[in-house]
Amino acid sequence: NAGVTQTPKFQVLKTGQSMTLQCAQDMNHEYMSWYRQDPGMGLRLIHYSVGAGITDQGEVPNGYNVSRSTTEDFPLRLLSAAPSQTSVYFCASSYFKGPNTEAFFGQGTRLTVV
Amino acid sequence: TQLLEQSPQFLSIQEGENLTVYCNSSSVFSSLQWYRQEPGEGPVLLVTVVTGGEVKKLKRLTFQFGDARKDSSLHITAAQPGDTGLYLCAAGVLYNNNDMRFGAGTRLTVKP
Repeated sequence: NAGVTQTPKFQVLKTGQSMTLQCAQDMNHEYMSWYRQDPGMGLRLIHYSVGAGITDQGEVPNGYNVSRSTTEDFPLRLLSAAPSQTSVYFCASSYFKGPNTEAFFGQGTRLTVV
Repeated sequence: TQLLEQSPQFLSIQEGENLTVYCNSSSVFSSLQWYRQEPGEGPVLLVTVVTGGEVKKLKRLTFQFGDARKDSSLHITAAQPGDTGLYLCAAGVLYNNNDMRFGAGTRLTVKP
């Protein structure tokens, strides 16, 4: 009964460091996405994927990379962390793209860049 | 500028009171969703509304989609401490390949 699993739950990085946030889902969903959540800004879409091998940019993609080699996994990479990337990151999955299907979210990764 | 404007931003009420929160936009949406998020957790879907003027009820929660499909409201009757959380509305952006956009949310606190 896992749903969407994100790791790690908390992370502190120094400016310039790189890291990968992991996301896995076991519901065989085609659509997966990454959001960041900042106070007063709501959830903003970073990148998304409509299936294995297909990724695209969302609203705020700069500084982040993604890949989708399998249906289950959708990692988010920070190439060179900056303080502006301090945020809570959520991975989500759904059967297809759009608002007519339920999005299932992970528990989030709280990232602090110092 | 947010595509979806939610109001109020914060709301603190006593148990048993009624409340309404709003989600407004200048854009027309094919459908709109409401999610609730508790501290340390991801958002969880409450409802999807599709038809203009549609009203859906979920126990003490009543959701309405505006006739013009540009706005929505969530009304809670006899609020309970368990209703405490961040309420988010979300909609698909038709002109941008149906990317999902979220409002900033209404943070509700229900005091016992």
